[in-house]
Amino acid sequence: DAKTTQPTSMDCAEGRAANLPCNHSTISGNEYVYWYRQIHSQGPQYIIHGLKNNETNEMASLIITEDRKSSTLILPHATLRDTAVYYCIVRVPFRRQGGKLIFGQGTELSVKP
Amino acid sequence: GAVVSQHPSWVICKSGTSVKIECRSLDFQATTMFWYRQFPKQSLMLMATSNEGSKATYEQGVEKDKFLINHASLTLSTLTVTSAHPEDSSFYICSARAVQGTMTEAFFGQGTRLTVV
Repeated sequence: DAKTTQPTSMDCAEGRAANLPCNHSTISGNEYVYWYRQIHSQGPQYIIHGLKNNETNEMASLIITEDRKSSTLILPHATLRDTAVYYCIVRVPFRRQGGKLIFGQGTELSVKP
Repeated sequence: GAVVSQHPSWVICKSGTSVKIECRSLDFQATTMFWYRQFPKQSLMLMATSNEGSKATYEQGVEKDKFLINHASLTLSTLTVTSAHPEDSSFYICSARAVQGTMTEAFFGQGTRLTVV
C-alpha cells in the first residue's frame, strides 16, 4: 500500500491560504489521493479526492503533480474553524480490500488570528 | 455529504462486560463499513473491514473473537467489544462507503468514546 508523508504541523494566519503538502512517491496508477480532516474528538470529515487532475470543491482545492508523486491541499481562506489534523491518504483500490483508507500521522494545522 | 451515525457517543462499562457500538448510514446504502480505533494523540488505526452479509476482514493483530463485527444490512454494522478491559478504552470510529453510483468516498461517524473501569 502506498505510504504518504506529511509535515507534522503547520501554522497559518486567519484569512490566508493554507497549503498542506503530501508526498506519495510509491502511488500506483489507479490509486486515488484522498484528504480528510479531524477536529478534536470528532470523526474525520471528507474534504476532497483526486486521481490525476486538479480538483476543486466548496471546501478546498487539490493540486496533484504530473508524476502524481505529491499533492497539495489548499484551503483558500483559512478560518479558525479549520484548525484540525489533516490526513492525506492513498486509497487502496476497491477490488483489493474494499478500498480501505489507511491513515498516517497527518498534519496538525493551527490557524491563528 | 452523506451522514453516518454512531451510537452511543460515549459509554462507560465495567471490566469484563461487553459493549456494543452501532454504526448506521442514514441516507445511503453502504456496501462496506470500516471500524477504526484511535488512542489519545495517535492516528486512526483500521481494525476491520466488513461487507454486508459476509464475514469481516480483520487487520493483522486485531483479535476477531474480542471485537465482533456484524454487518447484517446495508445500513447497519455493529462492533461488540467482548470482555472489555481498561486497555480497550479508546475512541472507536466507523466509516461507510456507498454501494454504487458516483459516491466513492467513505464517510465517518462521530465516534464512540469507550471507557472501561
